[in-house]
Amino acid sequence: AQKITQTQPGMFVQEKEAVTLDCTYDTSDPSYGLFWYKQPSSGEMIFLIYQGSYDQQNATEGRYSLNFQKARKSANLVISASQLGDSAMYFCAMRDDNQGGKLIFGQGTELSVKP
Amino acid sequence: EPEVTQTPSHQVTQMGQEVILRCVPISNHLYFYWYRQILGQKVEFLVSFYNNEISEKSEIFDDQFSVERPDGSNFTLKIRSTKLEDSAMYFCASSEFALRDSSYEQYFGPGTRLTVT
Repeated sequence: AQKITQTQPGMFVQEKEAVTLDCTYDTSDPSYGLFWYKQPSSGEMIFLIYQGSYDQQNATEGRYSLNFQKARKSANLVISASQLGDSAMYFCAMRDDNQGGKLIFGQGTELSVKP
Repeated sequence: EPEVTQTPSHQVTQMGQEVILRCVPISNHLYFYWYRQILGQKVEFLVSFYNNEISEKSEIFDDQFSVERPDGSNFTLKIRSTKLEDSAMYFCASSEFALRDSSYEQYFGPGTRLTVT
């Protein structure tokens, strides 16, 4: 069965510094997609970045980059130059490509950016 | 920018009552989903819907739940007889495609917070 694991319930980072949020996954399917979503205190789910299992290069979107290590089955999110507005819950998710494309989410990491 | 909308934003209901949560997916999207998030917990998949039928459902999605796309724009989740443990945030999501190895993201609505008393 597919599984996503986020081992850091909470993280602190100083404003303007970089932070890495960990995510490991488990699947036997050779084709899958990995996503990161941000959930601020208001509750909405905001898409940040996507990495496909066959992508050769790590995905980047502005200050967000995904450190994809396929052999280790990890897809860590790196946020550079943290801002106060980055304080939120961050979820890693894997898309099940077998049927309908549902997302399987990890437990989330709560990031707090300190001024 | 197109977005998924959900109504109501907050619904309070008594145990045993029926509730209908409404969603308007992005207009050219073909795949629709419902997820729920119990307070403080992770987001859980409930059901996916494509071509006017359920393509997959989770163990949570029992006979008390049903989904419908009644008019080509709305996508509804009905809970027939609510229980206390149904209290959660319910998210609707839609996707243009759900192709293997595609970057087509799922766009989430703002959620409906359901409180069962």
